[in-house]
Amino acid sequence: GQSLEQPSEVTAVEGAIVQINCTYQTSGFYGLSWYQQHDGGAPTFLSYNALDGLEETGRFSSFLSRSDSYGYLLLQELQMKDSASYFCAVTGGYQKVTFGTGTKLQVIP
Amino acid sequence: KAGVTQTPRYLIKTRGQQVTLSCSPISGHRSVSWYQQTPGQGLQFLFEYFSETQRNKGNFPGRFSGRQFSNSRSEMNVSTLELGDSALYLCASSLAGGGNTEAFFGQGTRLTVV
Repeated sequence: GQSLEQPSEVTAVEGAIVQINCTYQTSGFYGLSWYQQHDGGAPTFLSYNALDGLEETGRFSSFLSRSDSYGYLLLQELQMKDSASYFCAVTGGYQKVTFGTGTKLQVIP
Repeated sequence: KAGVTQTPRYLIKTRGQQVTLSCSPISGHRSVSWYQQTPGQGLQFLFEYFSETQRNKGNFPGRFSGRQFSNSRSEMNVSTLELGDSALYLCASSLAGGGNTEAFFGQGTRLTVV
């Protein structure tokens, strides 16, 4: 089966940097994705890592280490609008996508 | 282009009834996945359909079923509703499924079982 672990809540100050970690267990691995969901909204895609290393997209970066079954989402220059829940999702055997339980990020002034 | 459309947006049903939810994916997308979201549980995978075939299934009881039509529209059905089925049901469409293609989510159907 597939399972993921990520912190349930994180609080950070506006303008700072925050890292949201995700560890996973899966039989078969294709990649790790990240999604953002604002309260009352639908999840939106942020990034996908299939290979080890860091992928940067603007203020957001995502990292993957397949040997450690670990990844993280890095948010820089935090803005109030970044307050949301962030989900990691692993694509495992048979291309099955399993989501973590989400990390609620609160950005404070 | 139009996004993923889920209908209805809100639904109230009585325990023991059945319900059918609908999802219209983005034009050209052949994969539709369904998720149940409850507070503290994240998005729990129900099933994925690709080209009218169920390709993956989560760990939900047989009361939860789905199907996909030739135009890629998908429906999920829940029979003999229980109070614990109250949740936000999300569908996501993508070109080919898996995580390497971006999945687009609908706004969800909020089901309340009383």
